[in-house]
Amino acid sequence: DGGITQSPKYLFRKEGQNVTLSCEQNLNHDAMYWYRQDPGQGLRLIYYSQIVNDFQKGDIAEGYSVSREKKESFPLTVTSAQKNPTAFYLCASFRTDYTFGSGTRLTVV
Amino acid sequence: QQQVKQSPQSLIVQKGGISIINCAYENTAFDYFPWYQQFPGKGPALLIAIRPDVSEKKEGRFTISFNKSAKQFSLHIMDSQPGDSATYFCAASLDRGSTLGRLYFGRGTQLTVWP
Repeated sequence: DGGITQSPKYLFRKEGQNVTLSCEQNLNHDAMYWYRQDPGQGLRLIYYSQIVNDFQKGDIAEGYSVSREKKESFPLTVTSAQKNPTAFYLCASFRTDYTFGSGTRLTVV
Repeated sequence: QQQVKQSPQSLIVQKGGISIINCAYENTAFDYFPWYQQFPGKGPALLIAIRPDVSEKKEGRFTISFNKSAKQFSLHIMDSQPGDSATYFCAASLDRGSTLGRLYFGRGTQLTVWP
């Protein structure tokens, strides 16, 4: 089945550590996105990429970094510069409509 | 600035009743208005979508009503069921014909349907 795989489902990290969230798709979609979801805030765009080796900042990119070396993969790194990293992170791809992964819940202690 | 405003934040409906969620937008260039349904611990899934050249779209128990002049659109869930209990997001997009697909989301409505 085609879809988006996010891993891990749950992630715990100590404050000050960088952490990388994985997102892989087998839908052959060009465009991929990272959203952050907080209670009552909806989904806020962190980064997006339309093609390999190219990506753009979204509305809340500070403290995050991405890479797009392969069409199938769009990993997100949450750096120590991100002030409030605890959240639910969603990856998505797009052709005619969005397909979302099941998310990674990151908790920083 | 919130591009898409959604209300109410939470909604409780009795089984068999009608659930209504409203959204408003500012940017008249938006040309695609989807609704997503999200269950706890899962990613959102596309429920139904509409383009501004249509005033209403119905799929089963779900209907989108669209008012272009008022810049508002709403989701109606007829005969609401406990299995409909989820968080619903409205969204709007520019340039859907391109590969960008940039979506602007409302803040979500948590729907609870009592049996």
